Amino acid sequence: DVKVTQSSRYLVKRTGEKVFLECVQDMDHENMFWYRQDPGLGLRLIYFSYDVKMKEKGDIPEGYSVSREKKERFSLILESASTNQTSMYLCASETRTRGNEQFFGPGTRLTVL
Amino acid sequence: QKEVEQNSGPLSVPEGAIASLNCTYSDRGSQSFFWYRQYSGKSPELIMFIYSNGDKEDGRFTAQLNKASQYVSLLIRDSQPSDSATYLCAAIDAYSGAGSYQLTFGKGTKLSVIP
Repeated sequence: DVKVTQSSRYLVKRTGEKVFLECVQDMDHENMFWYRQDPGLGLRLIYFSYDVKMKEKGDIPEGYSVSREKKERFSLILESASTNQTSMYLCASETRTRGNEQFFGPGTRLTVL
Repeated sequence: QKEVEQNSGPLSVPEGAIASLNCTYSDRGSQSFFWYRQYSGKSPELIMFIYSNGDKEDGRFTAQLNKASQYVSLLIRDSQPSDSATYLCAAIDAYSGAGSYQLTFGKGTKLSVIP
C-alpha cells in the first residue's frame, strides 16, 4: 500500500512564525504536491515537484516555498505565517506510471493565531 | 485559468437509489478526469479515472465522459449510507514531457444517502 505521511495532524502557530510542514512517501513516487483546502474554495495547488530539487508553482504559491532534497520528502515552508494561511494542508504523491493517480496524506490542520 | 465546476449540493438520495454527480470543465485540452471521494475530516481517495469518451464501469460506480460537451459524471448505483461523502471531480492537462502539469479540482459535491 502507498503510504503518504505528514509530520503533524494539527498545528497552532503565531503570526510571523516560520512554519515547516513535512511530507514523506514510501513508494518511490516521482511527483509530489502540496494543496490547501478551504471551505467553499476546494482544493488549490500551492506547489508541486516532479523530481528532486525541482519545483513548480501552482495556483497560489504566494507566501509559501518548498524544498525537495530527497525523492521521498517534500516540505512546505511558510516563511512568515499569517492568519489567512489558516487552512487544511494536504500533501499528495504520484508515480507517472500509474496514470496520474494521486495518493493523499492525512492532512495537517494549521491554525495561525 | 482552467476551471472545473461542480454543484456543491448537498445532494440527498434514498438508500438503494442511483446518485448522479456532475462536473463540467472549461479547458478543451483536458485529457484525463478523476473522481475522488472525501469523507468528512479525511483526505481524498481516488474512485475512478476516465480519459475516453463514453462510460467506464467499476462495481457500483460508472464514470461518463463527453468531451464535446466538456462534461463528466459519476453514477453510483444502489447507493449506501457509507457513500455519504464529498465527491471531487478533477481534470488534468496533457503531460508536457518536462513533468510539468497540474490537476485542477472542482469544489466538490456533498452527497447524503438517507437510510
